[in-house]
Amino acid sequence: GAVVSQHPSRVICKSGTSVKIECRSLDFQATTMFWYRQFPKQSLMLMATSNEGSKATYEQGVEKDKFLINHASLTLSTLTVTSAHPEDSSFYICSAPTASEKLFFGSGTQLSVL
Amino acid sequence: AQKITQTQPGMFVQEKEAVTLDCTYDTSDQSYGLFWYKQPSSGEMIFLIYQGSYDEQNATEGRYSLNFQKARKSANLVISASQLGDSAMYFCAMREALGGTSYGKLTFGQGTILTVHP
Repeated sequence: GAVVSQHPSRVICKSGTSVKIECRSLDFQATTMFWYRQFPKQSLMLMATSNEGSKATYEQGVEKDKFLINHASLTLSTLTVTSAHPEDSSFYICSAPTASEKLFFGSGTQLSVL
Repeated sequence: AQKITQTQPGMFVQEKEAVTLDCTYDTSDQSYGLFWYKQPSSGEMIFLIYQGSYDEQNATEGRYSLNFQKARKSANLVISASQLGDSAMYFCAMREALGGTSYGKLTFGQGTILTVHP
C-alpha cells in the first residue's frame, strides 16, 4: 500500500540553528502534502499545505518565514524550521493524499531545541 | 468552518470487551469524509477507518466499525474485542469537500486516550 516516509524521526538542535525535515511519498505521486504540528497530549494542528511547483499555503498564525516549505518534486516535500527556538520544540508530521479515501501519514519528527 | 468534537479525554475498557469512542462534527459541506486514526506512543498515525458522507452503510474494517449517524452528525468508533495493543490515543478527523488543493486536508478532534486493562 501507499507509504509516506519522514526523516529524521528525532532531532535535537541548538537554539538559532535550522532544521530540515523531509517527507517522501514512496510509491505514489503527491502534488499536495500537508504539514501538521502536535504538542504533547494535544491534537494535530495543520500548519501548511505544500503544493508541488508552487508556493505553500500557510494556516493563519503560522510564520511562513519561520517554517519554510519546499515541494520541488511529486514525491518530496521539505519543512525547514529556521532559527529554531525552544518554543518550536514539538512533534511535526506530514501527510499525503492518494487517489483513494485513505490519507497516509509519515512517522513524524520529534524536534527538541535546546 | 468545520469542527470535530471528541468529548471523552480518556476511556478505559477491559480486554476482550467492546468500546465506543464518541465523535461529533459540524460542517456546512454536503460532501465530506470522516476518518479515525490511532496514535500509539511512538507518534505514528495509523489509519483505521473511513466513512464518506454519501455512504449509506456504516464502514467496517476488521474489529473497527464506524457508527455513522448523519442526522445527528456523529461518527462514533466501535472497537470490538479490545486488545492490550489497542491502548493508544484515538483521533477523529474530517476531510474537506473534494476538489482543489483542499483534498486531503484534515481537521482533527481533541483525541481520546484509550486504556485497555488485562
